[in-house]
Amino acid sequence: QSVLTQPPSVSAAPGQKVTISCSGSSSNIGNNYVSWYQQLPGTAPKLLIYDNNKRPSGIPDRFSGSRSGTSATLGIAGLQTGDEADYYCGTWDRSLSAGVFGTGTKVTVL
Amino acid sequence: EVQLLESGGGLVQPGGSLRLSCAAAGFTFSTYAMVWVRQAPGKGLEWVSAISVGGVNTYYADSVKGRFSISRDNSKNTVYLQMSSLRAEDTAVYYCAKDDGGGSLEHFHHWGQGTLVTVSS
Repeated sequence: QSVLTQPPSVSAAPGQKVTISCSGSSSNIGNNYVSWYQQLPGTAPKLLIYDNNKRPSGIPDRFSGSRSGTSATLGIAGLQTGDEADYYCGTWDRSLSAGVFGTGTKVTVL
Repeated sequence: EVQLLESGGGLVQPGGSLRLSCAAAGFTFSTYAMVWVRQAPGKGLEWVSAISVGGVNTYYADSVKGRFSISRDNSKNTVYLQMSSLRAEDTAVYYCAKDDGGGSLEHFHHWGQGTLVTVSS
């Protein structure tokens, strides 16, 4: 049972923007960096955002991240059909002394 | 190029044991913490275990604590996950990943392709 809560699904038309929330607590998001991952069916997760808002090389600036208090948000602008995937937030939890992932959000392009 | 190759998955009976391996290449393995993450069929990602650079510090999810043991052999560029007392709920694809957060275990840029563990009689 994950300690990070995400909406099960979000959807929008091509070209639009979606945001995915990740709600945690002071023991995880509130005091540690958040990362975001994209997972296409049958493939390993791919890092999209790290340290709350940084993008690895090769990740387009359509993907953005932010953190406020004990919540984090992933934004995907200019939605494309190739963005249809599952998205997960992740961080470290100081109380658990373990890593944690969000419940996951499925993005659908209408 | 960073490469992580998991192996050792397969079918095992409930209560049985299995050892997963993750062979690393393309980076200085001994200077990076490593992590195991799993994904049950149709489910989300679940963080399983991590090990520090030198192997002194290990961390486990509550769901596997006392049953799984993580270790590493820096001379072989390999991290292991010894799994025992396996349960049906341990059935999952197991991924190893490289910690790119300088030991913070906050983000993982490189992942293996995963190895499937099925616990069933």
